[in-house]
Amino acid sequence: AQSVTQPDIHITVSEGASLELRCNYSYGATPYLFWYVQSPGQGLQLLLKYFSGDTLVQGIKGFEAEFKRSQSSFNLRKPSVHWSDAAEYFCAVGDRGGNQFYFGTGTSLTVIP
Amino acid sequence: EPEVTQTPSHQVTQMGQEVILRCVPISNHLYFYWYRQILGQKVEFLVSFYNNEISEKSEIFDDQFSVERPDGSNFTLKIRSTKLEDSAMYFCASKYGATQETQYFGPGTRLLVL
Repeated sequence: AQSVTQPDIHITVSEGASLELRCNYSYGATPYLFWYVQSPGQGLQLLLKYFSGDTLVQGIKGFEAEFKRSQSSFNLRKPSVHWSDAAEYFCAVGDRGGNQFYFGTGTSLTVIP
Repeated sequence: EPEVTQTPSHQVTQMGQEVILRCVPISNHLYFYWYRQILGQKVEFLVSFYNNEISEKSEIFDDQFSVERPDGSNFTLKIRSTKLEDSAMYFCASKYGATQETQYFGPGTRLLVL
């Protein structure tokens, strides 16, 4: 069965520090992988996605993620966090038709000055 | 930039009442979705809709739920007789075509059933 695990419910980092949010997936075929961000009162905004090719993908707002098939992981990274990055982050896996998305439980990021 | 919109942003209702959640997908999109997120839990797929019919639905989407595209712009989710456990954030999403894999999400409607 398809599933997505985000092991960290909540992470706190200092502004300017690096960030890594973990995501592991279980999917029978080659997955389509996504990271979405949800700011308070906002919808889910797409940060980046991986379909094929280069396993290191760049997204908006300075985020990147690396697909590691051997580890079934798609971790999100940012070298220097800004206060405005405080939000809820969701990892998702989608099927090839783009019709079924499976989300993780999310990681809440707090950024301290 | 075009975006998916949802109304209302918040709705409070009594158990047993009917609610209709409204979504306006991005105008040239053809595939529409509803998801829900119970507080503290993951976002869960409810239903997908294409060409005026349901494409797929999850086991959550029982007979109490229905979806409709009443006109060329709106996409609605109706819950006929709400239960306490229907309290959740409901997200609408849309995408352009069959080969486009990215879904675009609205801001959600927070439903509270008392």
